[in-house]
Amino acid sequence: AQSVSQHNHHVILSEAASLELGCNYSYGGTVNLFWYVQYPGQHLQLLLKYFSGDPLVKGIKGFEAEFIKSKFSFNLRKPSVQWSDTAEYFCAVTGAAGNKLTFGGGTRVLVKP
Amino acid sequence: GAGVSQTPSNKVTEKGKYVELRCDPISGHTALYWYRQSLGQGPEFLIYFQGTGAADDSGLPNDRFFAVRPEGSVSTLKIQRTERGDSAVYLCASSFSGSHKETQYFGPGTRLLVL
Repeated sequence: AQSVSQHNHHVILSEAASLELGCNYSYGGTVNLFWYVQYPGQHLQLLLKYFSGDPLVKGIKGFEAEFIKSKFSFNLRKPSVQWSDTAEYFCAVTGAAGNKLTFGGGTRVLVKP
Repeated sequence: GAGVSQTPSNKVTEKGKYVELRCDPISGHTALYWYRQSLGQGPEFLIYFQGTGAADDSGLPNDRFFAVRPEGSVSTLKIQRTERGDSAVYLCASSFSGSHKETQYFGPGTRLLVL
C-alpha cells in the first residue's frame, strides 16, 4: 500500500521568507505526485502535479516542486511567500494504475504580515 | 455548474441515525470520488465511481457506508446507524475520465457531526 508523510505539521513564516515543505512517499512502482492547497474557508485546489519528464515542476502562484526519485521525495518550494499563502498544504500520490489519491497529513502554513 | 457542489454543507445528527450526503460533480465528468477528512488529518479515499458503477470501493470502512450514482451524475453517500467516530468532513471530487494523471476537482465538503 502506498503512503505519504509530510514532515511538518505547522510552519510559521514572515512575508518574503522562503518556504519549503517536505513530502515523502512509499510506493514501489511508478507514481504520480500532486500538491493541493486549501485556503481558509475554501475547498481543496491543485497547486501542481508531476507525472514524468523534468523533475522540477512549476505550478500556480509561484510554487514549484522537485521530484527526487532516489529519495522518494516531492518537496514544495516558494522563494518568497506572501500573507495570502497562509493555507494548509497537502501532498498526494496516485499509483500507475490507480487513480485514488493518497494524501499526507497536511502542513498548516501561517505567513505573518 | 462551475464546480463540484455538495449538500448539505453541515449536518448534525444523533448516534444511530441514518444520513445522506449529496454530491453534484462538474458537468461532463464521468469519474466521481468520495473522501473523508477527519480533524487534523489528510483526506482518505472512500469510493470511486466510473459512470454509474462503483469501480473501487476499497476505502469504505464498513457495511454501514454505501454510495450510489444511479444516472452517472449526482452521487449520494449513505451512512446507516451513525457513530460518533463518523464525524468528519466528507469530500467529493470529480475528474473528466478517471485517468490517474487527471486533476481531481474537489467540492467544499459536508461537515458531519454525530452527537
